[in-house]
Amino acid sequence: LAKTTQPISMDSYEGQEVNITCSHNNIATNDYITWYQQFPSQGPRFIIQGYKTKVTNEVASLFIPADRKSSTLSLPRVSLSDTAVYYCLVGGGVSSGSARQLTFGSGTQLTVLP
Amino acid sequence: GAVVSQHPSWVICKSGTSVKIECRSLDFQATTMFWYRQFPKQSLMLMATSNEGSKATYEQGVEKDKFLINHASLTLSTLTVTSAHPEDSSFYICSLGGRRRDNEQFFGPGTRLTVL
Repeated sequence: LAKTTQPISMDSYEGQEVNITCSHNNIATNDYITWYQQFPSQGPRFIIQGYKTKVTNEVASLFIPADRKSSTLSLPRVSLSDTAVYYCLVGGGVSSGSARQLTFGSGTQLTVLP
Repeated sequence: GAVVSQHPSWVICKSGTSVKIECRSLDFQATTMFWYRQFPKQSLMLMATSNEGSKATYEQGVEKDKFLINHASLTLSTLTVTSAHPEDSSFYICSLGGRRRDNEQFFGPGTRLTVL
């Protein structure tokens, strides 16, 4: 899997939009970009996945530029409960029928302040 | 998504004892499950890939004789930490692969192991 680079930490206030950028310069043509969220003492939770341009679901948006060497996870109007570590992963997307290993980077600790 | 449970959620044991951690898929038959370890303030590190009906595949640096993995059915994988020592104290998390995307794994709630 391609190596990813994220900021170690970010602070925000309730109600603000938060954008976390991940760099993945060595992304391969068939790699997808996936983001996970992890609360303390819990397993990670899948947030969103995309290949190019923009993907939006009920909790977040994912912006991917044309060169795909970076991606930005956007969390609209964060609340205190969004305080967590966010991981960006790059690798195979469409299911091949067998699960693949995931390589987690250092992640970004997001702290939402009141 | 798939529902994954782990048991126990936390365990405290004496040095030298063995501890078994169970990972169950409650609504999905998983031929492959993964075991991760996470130390405080650090990221998840893959320990091994658990394959139903065959031997697990261990990552470099992970002792297979110390961390015994058994994936006896499509819904259950177990990790046994043998002769545990304080340095084995960690957060152990299992996961199973998604059906739609290779990168979509469903993680268990984790097991906090403390070895005294």
